[in-house]
Amino acid sequence: SQKIEQNSEALNIQEGKTATLTCNYTNYSPAYLQWYRQDPGRGPVFLLLIRENEKEKRKERLKVTFDTTLKQSLFHITASQPADSATYLCALDEYNQGGKLIFGQGTELSVKP
Amino acid sequence: DTAVSQTPKYLVTQMGNDKSIKCEQNLGHDTMYWYKQDSKKFLKIMFSYNNKELIINETVPNRFSPKSPDKAHLNLHINSLELGDSAVYFCASSHPRESSPLHFGNGTRLTVT
Repeated sequence: SQKIEQNSEALNIQEGKTATLTCNYTNYSPAYLQWYRQDPGRGPVFLLLIRENEKEKRKERLKVTFDTTLKQSLFHITASQPADSATYLCALDEYNQGGKLIFGQGTELSVKP
Repeated sequence: DTAVSQTPKYLVTQMGNDKSIKCEQNLGHDTMYWYKQDSKKFLKIMFSYNNKELIINETVPNRFSPKSPDKAHLNLHINSLELGDSAVYFCASSHPRESSPLHFGNGTRLTVT
């Protein structure tokens, strides 16, 4: 079956360290991947999009990589802060046509001061 | 101004009742969605409308009926509520083109007792 998997266990790191979150997928050939942040009691908020022909994308302290051979995307937060604590979701478009984003179950990140 | 707003934020009701959740977006997007997030945090698409036309209708019981009076509104009506319907329901909107990020509302937590 088609699946997206993220680290199911919560990730606890110390402030200032780099957090690395993993998103693996099977049976898809996505043209792009999106990453979202979700805070408790709120809807997901879009962070970054990376296309299949882009190895890496950066936005401030965020970096996303996309390896279509490994079928994996990595999401990095450098110099992490307690305010980065949230659940991070990866998503891909099942048909690459827009309109049907499939989400992973998310990884909960906790950054301790 | 809230971009995607849904009401109510909390909904507690008994089995067998009929209830509605309303959603409005002021982003000028043509496409709107309903997603369901279960207790394990999986976000699953239920419906997608593009300019008032139903585009995606996942395997959702007939008791769920979306209604789009205009492209800025997408409401969800649920008949004969069941315990398993308890979840957080998110409305979202986007441009119809491929790779457009989704803008989510803050969810409606439905509890069926």
